Amino acid sequence: NAGVMQNPRHLVRRRGQEARLRCSPMKGHSHVYWYRQLPEEGLKFMVYLQKENIIDESGMPKERFSAEFPKEGPSILRIQQVVRGDSAAYFCASSPTPRTGGGTQYFGPGTRLTVL
Amino acid sequence: KNQVEQSPQSLIILEGKNCTLQCNYTVSPFSNLRWYKQDTGRGPVSLTIMTFSENTKSNGRYTATLDADTKQSSLHITASQLSDSASYICVVSAANNNAGNMLTFGGGTRLMVKP
Repeated sequence: NAGVMQNPRHLVRRRGQEARLRCSPMKGHSHVYWYRQLPEEGLKFMVYLQKENIIDESGMPKERFSAEFPKEGPSILRIQQVVRGDSAAYFCASSPTPRTGGGTQYFGPGTRLTVL
Repeated sequence: KNQVEQSPQSLIILEGKNCTLQCNYTVSPFSNLRWYKQDTGRGPVSLTIMTFSENTKSNGRYTATLDADTKQSSLHITASQLSDSASYICVVSAANNNAGNMLTFGGGTRLMVKP
């Protein structure tokens, strides 16, 4: 089992460009979570998705940010018109059971976004 | 508001020594508490998980304790090794009937083990 895969590992964008972050969950996991970690801060929940459904996006900024988890392929976190404040590490996690089960989430290595 | 506070923020110890990291939380209704280890540039990796009824849980040289009454947890590392240098994150899960368990992350303790 290759674990949770994220790509790219590092992404550099200029202000106003779009950033697309990809996450492939562990094999057999259909629950995906996105977190953001600002420098020197803890992880902050953004969104929880199951296949083709957004279950909880209460941590997602209302504008410019969107997430999807299609039936086929990886989960995508999309940030439009990036600003310097979007610079952070974005972590994806997956679990085999719904969040209500309280199961362990397995984290990917993260994508470090730098906005110039 | 659910919060998780960790102390100290950073810690330097010599190889072979023991150390204890603290976690205080105000998360309700409590579901479980996890300690994660996050190496620099990597994602967090789960070390232990404890539910309300568990007081202690060990994983090799890592021993976590939980006092659900005082809402405190500790992570004790025995005979530290250089590879223990990492951030240790306390994560508390709140049971939310509407949207499933919500995780609240502490800010982490950055541990550096020196030879």
